[in-house]
Amino acid sequence: GDSVTQMEGPVTLSEEAFLTINCTYTATGYPSLFWYVQYPGEGLQLLLKATKADDKGSNKGFEATYRKETTSFHLEKGSVQVSDSAVYFCALYNTDKLIFGTGTRLQVFP
Amino acid sequence: DVKVTQSSRYLVKRTGEKVFLECVQDMDHENMFWYRQDPGLGLRLIYFSYDVKMKEKGDIPEGYSVSREKKERFSLILESASTNQTSMYLCASTRRGWGNTIYFGEGSWLTVV
Repeated sequence: GDSVTQMEGPVTLSEEAFLTINCTYTATGYPSLFWYVQYPGEGLQLLLKATKADDKGSNKGFEATYRKETTSFHLEKGSVQVSDSAVYFCALYNTDKLIFGTGTRLQVFP
Repeated sequence: DVKVTQSSRYLVKRTGEKVFLECVQDMDHENMFWYRQDPGLGLRLIYFSYDVKMKEKGDIPEGYSVSREKKERFSLILESASTNQTSMYLCASTRRGWGNTIYFGEGSWLTVV
């Protein structure tokens, strides 16, 4: 069945460092891909999405490119802030099912 | 704005009790989902529904049932709550079709004692 694998955390960075959180997927057909963010004590918020190969999703300085050849959707940000500290979930949507990775906790220190 | 509302943010129930978690969305979405979120396990799909009175099992349906009598409402039922069902439960909804955004509720923290 479909699945999502993302890097284990926590990822610990200093403010203004470069961020990459890896995400790869297994799916039949052509899934849509998403990154969701969960801030402490809150629900999930959509961060960005891409619906077809080579699409780039972007929001709040975060970017991810749908790479069909490597079945990947890595999340990147050029300069993280303390306020980016949260748990990040990679997800795919395919045949009416939404499948999540296990989440990666990001901790950014001043 | 799309809104997915979960009826209770925090609940404490006793072992063996029947528990209802309600979810309502206001955007006429066809598809609705229930997940549970546990540390280190991410979000795991319990059940989903793609239409009124329709339901499909997710990855971990054991110990749960669902009800979708109206399009806007999707209920998760724990017939006899157990301590291993202590978790955060998240409801989500989306329009049917490819590439649509999925919207989440704020979550319901359930503790079974």
